[in-house]
Amino acid sequence: QKEVEQNSGPLSVPEGAIASLNCTYSDRGSQSFFWYRQYSGKSPELIMFIYSNGDKEDGRFTAQLNKASQYVSLLIRDSQPSDSATYLCAPRAGNTPLVFGKGTRLSVIA
Amino acid sequence: GAVVSQHPSRVICKSGTSVKIECRSLDFQATTMFWYRQFPKQSLMLMATSNEGSKATYEQGVEKDKFLINHASLTLSTLTVTSAHPEDSSFYICSASRANRDYNSPLHFGNGTRLTVT
Repeated sequence: QKEVEQNSGPLSVPEGAIASLNCTYSDRGSQSFFWYRQYSGKSPELIMFIYSNGDKEDGRFTAQLNKASQYVSLLIRDSQPSDSATYLCAPRAGNTPLVFGKGTRLSVIA
Repeated sequence: GAVVSQHPSRVICKSGTSVKIECRSLDFQATTMFWYRQFPKQSLMLMATSNEGSKATYEQGVEKDKFLINHASLTLSTLTVTSAHPEDSSFYICSASRANRDYNSPLHFGNGTRLTVT
């Protein structure tokens, strides 16, 4: 059974701060890792993805991957109220569908 | 812009009727599409994998005779909820990957269909 664990939150951060979202996964065969953002009542939208150990930066977002620890994280710098949403971590192994955890609800306080 | 189009975005139907939801990949061919369902405050749950030209693969606990999937072309998959009941009321979302041979490519999601069965 493939599992994805995320702190459900809510994670509250003040505007302008760094939000840190964490995710652990059980499938060691996972090769790619995706972060999605989901606003209430909407479908998920892709934020970024990472394949290799280390850090990957894209604008205000930085994804970090440690395959040995089966851990992936997302940092959001200069958090804005518009970043308030549920963030979903989704590992993928080969041509398989994404398996989601419950996600972390982020609240950015103005 | 959107790479996966889903229609309708919202539908209300009476108990016992059937509802068809369409999912189209825009400007790319998708031999595989995935259908998810999400109940309020719950995570996305995979319902089935739709394969072009062959039968869909359903997840455990999902009734294949109730949720009919047809993937007749490389850009279109449909999900039909047959004999809908109030407990089928949910948010249905389809997804597809732009590059079928690149298993590391992300899935793009349609905008979802909010189904309410009265």
